[in-house]
Amino acid sequence: DGGITQSPKYLFRKEGQNVTLSCEQNLNHDAMYWYRQDPGQGLRLIYYSQIVNDFQKGDIAEGYSVSREKKESFPLTVTSAQKNPTAFYLCASRTGFRGYTFGSGTRLTVV
Amino acid sequence: GQQLNQSPQSMFIQEGEDVSMNCTSSSIFNTWLWYKQDPGEGPVLLIALYKAGELTSNGRLTAQFGITRKDSFLNISASIPSDVGIYFCAEGEGSQGNLIFGKGTKLSVKP
Repeated sequence: DGGITQSPKYLFRKEGQNVTLSCEQNLNHDAMYWYRQDPGQGLRLIYYSQIVNDFQKGDIAEGYSVSREKKESFPLTVTSAQKNPTAFYLCASRTGFRGYTFGSGTRLTVV
Repeated sequence: GQQLNQSPQSMFIQEGEDVSMNCTSSSIFNTWLWYKQDPGEGPVLLIALYKAGELTSNGRLTAQFGITRKDSFLNISASIPSDVGIYFCAEGEGSQGNLIFGKGTKLSVKP
C-alpha cells in the first residue's frame, strides 16, 4: 500500500545537537511539506518542495534545513540554531489539487 | 497572511450528542478541507468541498461549503468515543502552493 513513512516516531535531542527526521513516500507525489505542530498552534509550515532538487522556506524555516535529492525522500534537519525544537513534526505530500497525505509524525524532545 | 478562524477551540460532550464546529476566513476560497487527527498521529482527510453551497456527507459527518465562500461547517451526529481527536479545517490556496490550516477544534467524548 502507498503512503508516507516518518521515522523515528520519538526522538530526543541534546542541547547543541543537530538531528534529522526522515520522511519517505511511495505515492509518486511531486510536492512534499514539513509542518510543525505545537499545542493550540495548529500546523505551521517549515519547508516545502514542489520538485526534486528544489525547495522553499515556509513561515518558520529558521533553525531548520532540508534536502530533496530524490522524489521519494524529504528529510528535515533540526539544527542547533533552533532554540525551541520540542514539538510534533508532520511530513505530508500532495499531487494535483487534492489535499495532503500525512505521515504519522515524529515527536522531538530536547533533553 | 491568510488566516482561518476555527471555533470552538475545544468541546467536551457526552456520547450520543451531536457536534458542530466551523471555520471562517476574511478571504474567499475555492476549496475547503476537513481533517481529523487522532492523538499522536498525522491528520487524515475527512471531507473535501470544492463548490460554494456544497453539502457533503461521510457517514455520520456532514460538511458544508458556505455560500459566501468564506466559511465552512462540520457536523458530527451521534458522537462515539472514537470521534475523540483534533479536527482541522484547511483551505488549499496558500501563497506557497500549500494548505493553510485552522488551529483546530479538540473534541473530547465522555462515554
